[in-house]
Amino acid sequence: GNSVTQMEGPVTLSEEAFLTINCTYTATGYPSLFWYVQYPGEGLQLLLKATKADDKGSNKGFEATYRKETTSFHLEKGSVQVSDSAVYFCALTSSGSARQLTFGSGTQLTVLP
Amino acid sequence: GAVVSQHPSRVICKSGTSVKIECRSLDFQATTMFWYRQFPKQSLMLMATSNEGSKATYEQGVEKDKFLINHASLTLSTLTVTSAHPEDSSFYICSARDMQREKLFFGSGTQLSVL
Repeated sequence: GNSVTQMEGPVTLSEEAFLTINCTYTATGYPSLFWYVQYPGEGLQLLLKATKADDKGSNKGFEATYRKETTSFHLEKGSVQVSDSAVYFCALTSSGSARQLTFGSGTQLTVLP
Repeated sequence: GAVVSQHPSRVICKSGTSVKIECRSLDFQATTMFWYRQFPKQSLMLMATSNEGSKATYEQGVEKDKFLINHASLTLSTLTVTSAHPEDSSFYICSARDMQREKLFFGSGTQLSVL
């Protein structure tokens, strides 16, 4: 079956530091890959996605590249801000259905001023 | 702003009582909503798919008599944890699909603690 393994947190960084949150997956076929973010008190929001190998998803300075050879979709940002403090979830779907979304365990990121 | 409202955000209850969690889509109609559960340090796991006007579809291993789902309108689904026990303590989160925008929106989650 499908599974997502995500870097355990919590992660604490200083403002302007470089961020990497690792995500690897196991899936049948050709999954689509997602990063969701949950800010305090809010629902999960789609941050970025990639639907095929070598695609790069990007949004708000965050990037992740769909690496089929390493089955990875690591999230990166060159310079984090305090406002990036949130929980980040890696997820995949091997079909178009939301019912088939498989999530990682989430990584809590805290950025200190 | 939020397009899916989930309430309450946190609830503490005694063992044996029932707890109802509401999930509302605020600016769109959702024929389908999803309920997830997350235990500490584990993945968000889909519990059930809630269909407006019909019975929910439960994932394997989820007791339908314990986790009652009602989706009586196009903007509201409720999850009732019946006769809650400490092992039901978890983070519950709902999502709803907006077919027009082709997007999935999530609620902010409910942290349930059963004493």
